[in-house]
Amino acid sequence: EVQLVESGGVVAQPGGSLRLTCAASGFNFDEYTLHWVRQAPGKGLEWVSLISWDGGSFEYGDSVKGRVTISRDSSKKSLFLQLSGLRIEDTAVYYCARDALKWSYNGYYLDVWGKGTMVLVSS
Amino acid sequence: EIVLTQSPGTLSLSPGERATLSCRASQIISRNQLAWYQQKPGQAPRLLIYGASNRATGIPDRFSGDGSGTDFTLTINRLEPEDFAVFYCQQYGASPKTFGQGTRVDIQ
Repeated sequence: EVQLVESGGVVAQPGGSLRLTCAASGFNFDEYTLHWVRQAPGKGLEWVSLISWDGGSFEYGDSVKGRVTISRDSSKKSLFLQLSGLRIEDTAVYYCARDALKWSYNGYYLDVWGKGTMVLVSS
Repeated sequence: EIVLTQSPGTLSLSPGERATLSCRASQIISRNQLAWYQQKPGQAPRLLIYGASNRATGIPDRFSGDGSGTDFTLTINRLEPEDFAVFYCQQYGASPKTFGQGTRVDIQ
């Protein structure tokens, strides 16, 4: 079964940092670009970041640019998101999602999603 | 960044009726690179449509997508009880990828 499982959701203070992990299984991890998408409580979806299948290309959304690093580890079949300088508005469920097309660099639509991990930024 | 505006915000319909959802882009979306997702409470989004009009695997044919350029539509024919949810459009033709703010389809 194709699966993405996020972890690392925390309660953090403004100005702090966090690292989210997404464990992949059931597909060839090295063939797919992966994305992070977040959703603030009661709000819509916000695309956050992507990293290409080979780790050589990445993109970030404007709201997190300069504070975020996306990475992946092929040996662990895992995707990571490091976010620093946390703000109240970073409070959200963070989803890991798979790009639908193999070997893409620019990212396309998202065909597999994890269940998400909750990040709460509060003082 | 391409801004996607979805309308209406909420659609109240009965099972068996047709739902028509709109997604308008602030710029032309190249090669109709627009997708639609369905999200139910407490669940992750589910891909419905990609390339503006192509149904994803396992999606019933009562869901259809249309449009090009800046104007796109998701139509749900003969609403089933399980169809009531929030629907999002997403463009992937330009960076950053962006989502619309969502349309909620409620049971009337």
